[in-house]
Amino acid sequence: NAGVTQTPKFRVLKTGQSMTLLCAQDMNHEYMYWYRQDPGMGLRLIHYSVGEGTTAKGEVPDGYNVSRLKKQNFLLGLESAAPSQTSVYFCASRVSGGMGEQFFGPGTRLTVL
Amino acid sequence: GDSVTQMEGPVTLSEEAFLTINCTYTATGYPSLFWYVQYPGEGLQLLLKATKADDKGSNKGFEATYRKETTSFHLEKGSVQVSDSAVYFCALSTNYGGSQGNLIFGKGTKLSVKP
Repeated sequence: NAGVTQTPKFRVLKTGQSMTLLCAQDMNHEYMYWYRQDPGMGLRLIHYSVGEGTTAKGEVPDGYNVSRLKKQNFLLGLESAAPSQTSVYFCASRVSGGMGEQFFGPGTRLTVL
Repeated sequence: GDSVTQMEGPVTLSEEAFLTINCTYTATGYPSLFWYVQYPGEGLQLLLKATKADDKGSNKGFEATYRKETTSFHLEKGSVQVSDSAVYFCALSTNYGGSQGNLIFGKGTKLSVKP
């Protein structure tokens, strides 16, 4: 099992450009999450999904959109990138029910110039 | 709202030294508590967890006890190794409402262990 994978690993954008980050998991998990990690801020939840076709806002959703068309994939979109979105983005997944462990991907380092 | 506060780093120790990283929380209800570890260039991985008061989580020589009376979940290890150098995150998982199971993280503590 590959676990949670993220594509791409690195990306540089110019202000105003758009892009999509892909997260894939092969553990048949119901729940999936997108976080951003900034120095001194820990991880903050952007959006999450409790199942295929569902999405919900987290702590810092502005400027991002998400889609969960297939159970194994969770996409994070930036329609018009801003320098404030320079960050490391992590995807995670877990089984449904309870408060179990989240499994994290390796991250995507995004720089917006 | 719910929150996690952990000691700021960086923390620098010599090999075989004793480690404590403090973590306190504020939460409604009865959260589960976690310690995650992030090695350089990698994602986070679960180190240990505790789901109710007085539970002790342990793994790889690390321990933490869920203390409801002091709302704390301090991470300890008796003898650190160079390979323990990483960033450690304390987190809680809410147990109510639509955000059940979502993690709230502390800001992280960077540990460097010198040989």
